[in-house]
Amino acid sequence: SQKIEQNSEALNIQEGKTATLTCNYTNYSPAYLQWYRQDPGRGPVFLLLIRENEKEKRKERLKVTFDTTLKQSLFHITASQPADSATYLCALGNTGGFKTIFGAGTRLFVKA
Amino acid sequence: DGGITQSPKYLFRKEGQNVTLSCEQNLNHDAMYWYRQDPGQGLRLIYYSQIVNDFQKGDIAEGYSVSREKKESFPLTVTSAQKNPTAFYLCASRQVGYGNTEAFFGQGTRLTVV
Repeated sequence: SQKIEQNSEALNIQEGKTATLTCNYTNYSPAYLQWYRQDPGRGPVFLLLIRENEKEKRKERLKVTFDTTLKQSLFHITASQPADSATYLCALGNTGGFKTIFGAGTRLFVKA
Repeated sequence: DGGITQSPKYLFRKEGQNVTLSCEQNLNHDAMYWYRQDPGQGLRLIYYSQIVNDFQKGDIAEGYSVSREKKESFPLTVTSAQKNPTAFYLCASRQVGYGNTEAFFGQGTRLTVV
């Protein structure tokens, strides 16, 4: 069955460092991959989308890579700030499809 | 402001009772979704709808029902047949078409069985 794996353990880093979160998937050939941010008790908010034919995407302090051979995406937050503390979800989907598969998310804590 | 609104934020259900969660969007999106989120698990799809008067079961539809009588509204009923309904429920909408646009989520409804 299709499966998305994100680190279940929380990631703790110091302010100013780069946070790197991992998303691995199996039994799936997605056309695109998305990253969302979710704060406690709130709905996820879209951050970035990267397509299968793209290797890297950047938006301000965020960078996403997508390796369809390794079936892995890396999500980087540079110059991290305490306000970046949240849970980050990885999601996969297919072109024209209506179903998006979400990972369980990785909790990030940035200490001042 | 455009957005997607869920209500109520908190809901308590007694054993054997049906409850309905509201979801309204003014984004003019065609597709709407209901997800369930449990601690340590990814969002699991309950039901989705691509157009008015049409909807499909997701991965965990048993014990739930939906309707899509209007484009902007997609209510979810948690029936007494759902044996473990305590969870965080999220509604989302998305524009249909090439481009793989992102999903917009509501703020969620936390349902607790008492």
